[in-house]
Amino acid sequence: NAGVTQTPKFQVLKTGQSMTLQCAQDMNHNSMYWYRQDPGMGLRLIYYSASEGTTDKGEVPNGYNVSRLNKREFSLRLESAAPSQTSVYFCASSEAGTGGSGANVLTFGAGSRLTVL
Amino acid sequence: KQEVTQIPAALSVPEGENLVLNCSFTDSAIYNLQWFRQDPGKGLTSLLLIQSSQREQTSGRLNASLDKSSGRSTLYIAASQPGDSATYLCAGNRAAGNKLTFGGGTRVLVKP
Repeated sequence: NAGVTQTPKFQVLKTGQSMTLQCAQDMNHNSMYWYRQDPGMGLRLIYYSASEGTTDKGEVPNGYNVSRLNKREFSLRLESAAPSQTSVYFCASSEAGTGGSGANVLTFGAGSRLTVL
Repeated sequence: KQEVTQIPAALSVPEGENLVLNCSFTDSAIYNLQWFRQDPGKGLTSLLLIQSSQREQTSGRLNASLDKSSGRSTLYIAASQPGDSATYLCAGNRAAGNKLTFGGGTRVLVKP
């Protein structure tokens, strides 16, 4: 019953360092997402993957890259971290892709808290 | 661009009182509307999903309505309990698919 698993849970980086946030789901979901959450701003979509082999930009993609490694895994990479990327990052998954009217219930991971000094 | 607003940002009620949480969105072409709960330091848990053709959804003490013409959704929690204390977020997507736009959330405290 793992659902969506994110690693690491906490990370402190210095400006300019790189790192990758890992996400894996065991629900055989087609779609996966990366969001960031900042105080008072709700969640904002960084990147998403409607299905294995595809990725697309969300609302705030600058400074990030993603890889849909397989159906289970979707990673988020910061190539050169900046203080503005200090945030809590959430990975999520859902059954449906971008087409059709299938149920769109998202399942979220517990989050990864990143601090960039 | 879809914008989603939740007012108030915080709400405190005594135990037993009914909770009414508001969500407004600017684009009436919203497709689905979801309500989530977030406990401190945790991820989001989906509470209710109202699909495009529906006007409301119910689960236990929770009821959510969707009025596209007025650009509003309301989450009702009946007979609130201290365990209902959390942040509640609404999110919508403009077309079939899952690119959700989130509101800023309403932080709820239910006092015993």
